[in-house]
Amino acid sequence: KQEVTQIPAALSVPEGENLVLNCSFTDSAIYNLQWFRQDPGKGLTSLLLIQSSQREQTSGRLNASLDKSSGRSTLYIAASQPGDSATYLCAVKSQGTGRRALTFGSGTRLQVQP
Amino acid sequence: EAGVTQFPSHSVIEKGQTVTLRCDPISGHDNLYWYRRVMGKEIKFLLHFVKESKQDESGMPNNRFLAERTGGTYSTLKVQPAELEDSGVYFCASSQGTGLSRQETQYFGPGTRLLVL
Repeated sequence: KQEVTQIPAALSVPEGENLVLNCSFTDSAIYNLQWFRQDPGKGLTSLLLIQSSQREQTSGRLNASLDKSSGRSTLYIAASQPGDSATYLCAVKSQGTGRRALTFGSGTRLQVQP
Repeated sequence: EAGVTQFPSHSVIEKGQTVTLRCDPISGHDNLYWYRRVMGKEIKFLLHFVKESKQDESGMPNNRFLAERTGGTYSTLKVQPAELEDSGVYFCASSQGTGLSRQETQYFGPGTRLLVL
């Protein structure tokens, strides 16, 4: 059974800092890994999707890496801004006949102080 | 293009009552998913529709939950009778009907916040 863990659970940084969020998963047989952002009271916004054959994906100030063999992914946020404050969720899609369900971590709550 | 929409945004009911949640996926998306996040826990998968058929309902907690997707468009999730532990946020997601599961991006709605008293 796939399990996803995110560390740290919460993080507070001053504006302008570069930061790294961590995600680990127990079963390396995955199709892809997705990073989401959730603002309070809102839905999930997809940030980056990394396929199992890829090592990283970039979008603006965000860079996500994937090391499938070790079951790890990181989300790097450069030059953080107060608008980056949100909960960041990592989710994997495991290989398995017919299954497309995502398995989520519990998230990292990020606060960027102005 | 409209995103995934869910109704209602909030619902407060008493234990034993019935509640029906609705999800409208992105137009043209064959895949529709229900997930939920109960207090203090991570988001968990409930079930997956492909058009009007249930492809995977392995995450449904018990027979008090009934999901339908008549006509392969919008979906409803009914909880009857509701229990205290059903409180949480229910998310719906949709994706295009592609056979390449590894490339699939699921788009999430804003969720319905359910509180059972």
